[in-house]
Amino acid sequence: GQNIDQPTEMTATEGAIVQINCTYQTSGFNGLFWYQQHAGEAPTFLSYNVLDGLEEKGRFSSFLSRSKGYSYLLLKELQMKDSASYLCAVYNQAGTALIFGKGTTLSVSS
Amino acid sequence: DTAVSQTPKYLVTQMGNDKSIKCEQNLGHDTMYWYKQDSKKFLKIMFSYNNKELIINETVPNRFSPKSPDKAHLNLHINSLELGDSAVYFCASSQESERDSGANVLTFGAGSRLTVL
Repeated sequence: GQNIDQPTEMTATEGAIVQINCTYQTSGFNGLFWYQQHAGEAPTFLSYNVLDGLEEKGRFSSFLSRSKGYSYLLLKELQMKDSASYLCAVYNQAGTALIFGKGTTLSVSS
Repeated sequence: DTAVSQTPKYLVTQMGNDKSIKCEQNLGHDTMYWYKQDSKKFLKIMFSYNNKELIINETVPNRFSPKSPDKAHLNLHINSLELGDSAVYFCASSQESERDSGANVLTFGAGSRLTVL
């Protein structure tokens, strides 16, 4: 089966950099996803990593190490609007659906 | 136009009742899903349909019955509602459901908040 661990909560200040870690155990790895979910809203896609290394997209970057079963989401130049839950996800064993971690709630203060 | 739309957005009902949530996507995606997000914000897969065919049926009580009349619609019917069914139910869709086909990006609906009293 799959097991995904990420911290429950993190806090940071505007303008700072924050790194949200995710460790996973899965049989048949086929990619790792990060989603953002604002309170009361739907999750939205942020990033996808299938090869080792860093993928950069503006203020957000995502890193993957398959050998370590580890990923992180890096958020730079934090803004108040980045306050949200960040969900790490991998495919299920059959590769037919995403299995989500319990999410990290990030609070950004001024 | 909303890509994945669910109705109703809010649903308050009594224990023992039967209710349905409807979902429609206009993205031309092949696969649709139902996820349940509980009070602790844990998002858990319930069902997946690919082109009207059931692909995934996780350990969900058989009081929950999905129905897909066509690949653009996936409805969820719940019988004999229980307090523990209170949650936000998210419908989602994606283009691929096969492994090794690359990023299977999910597009979620806005969610349907079900409260069972």
